[in-house]
Amino acid sequence: DVKVTQSSRYLVKRTGEKVFLECVQDMDHENMFWYRQDPGLGLRLIYFSYDVKMKEKGDIPEGYSVSREKKERFSLILESASTNQTSMYLCASSLYTGTGGYTFGSGTRLTVV
Amino acid sequence: QQQVKQSPQSLIVQKGGISIINCAYENTAFDYFPWYQQFPGKGPALLIAIRPDVSEKKEGRFTISFNKSAKQFSLHIMDSQPGDSATYFCAALLNTDKLIFGTGTRLQVFP
Repeated sequence: DVKVTQSSRYLVKRTGEKVFLECVQDMDHENMFWYRQDPGLGLRLIYFSYDVKMKEKGDIPEGYSVSREKKERFSLILESASTNQTSMYLCASSLYTGTGGYTFGSGTRLTVV
Repeated sequence: QQQVKQSPQSLIVQKGGISIINCAYENTAFDYFPWYQQFPGKGPALLIAIRPDVSEKKEGRFTISFNKSAKQFSLHIMDSQPGDSATYFCAALLNTDKLIFGTGTRLQVFP
């Protein structure tokens, strides 16, 4: 069974901290994505990557950065966490461009206090 | 232009009834329209999808109806069951494999 694994289920961080959210997929997928999910706003794309060392900004990249050093791992970095970044963060991957069939991880619920 | 508008925000249906969730879009560059189902504590999972050259797709109790001229598509769940209670997201794919999601519909099916 294919899997996207997010390292933490729940995370509590202080304002100003640097936060790393890790995501690993075991499907040899080319594309990886980071979304945040907020009630009433749906899923909003933060960053995505089509290849190792490659990254593209999504719709809400401000305050975030990403790293993809290996094909299977895509990290989301909050450079200086703020309370408005409290959210559910979802990682996803897809095999090829144009398929739209994403596999999502179970999410990391981040609370910034 | 890149938005996908979804309604209703929440839906309560009796067991055995039909659940209908609607979505609308503006950008004609979208070329793939999936629906995702999300249970509490889980990530969204692909449920069913359609391409714009098809007006309807059915998989079991789930049907997508697509109206290209109106730029609307909808999910119909026939014979709704309590196990269908979840949040449903419509989405539209931009040519670069970037999925734009709707705001979600929380479906509750009561016995």
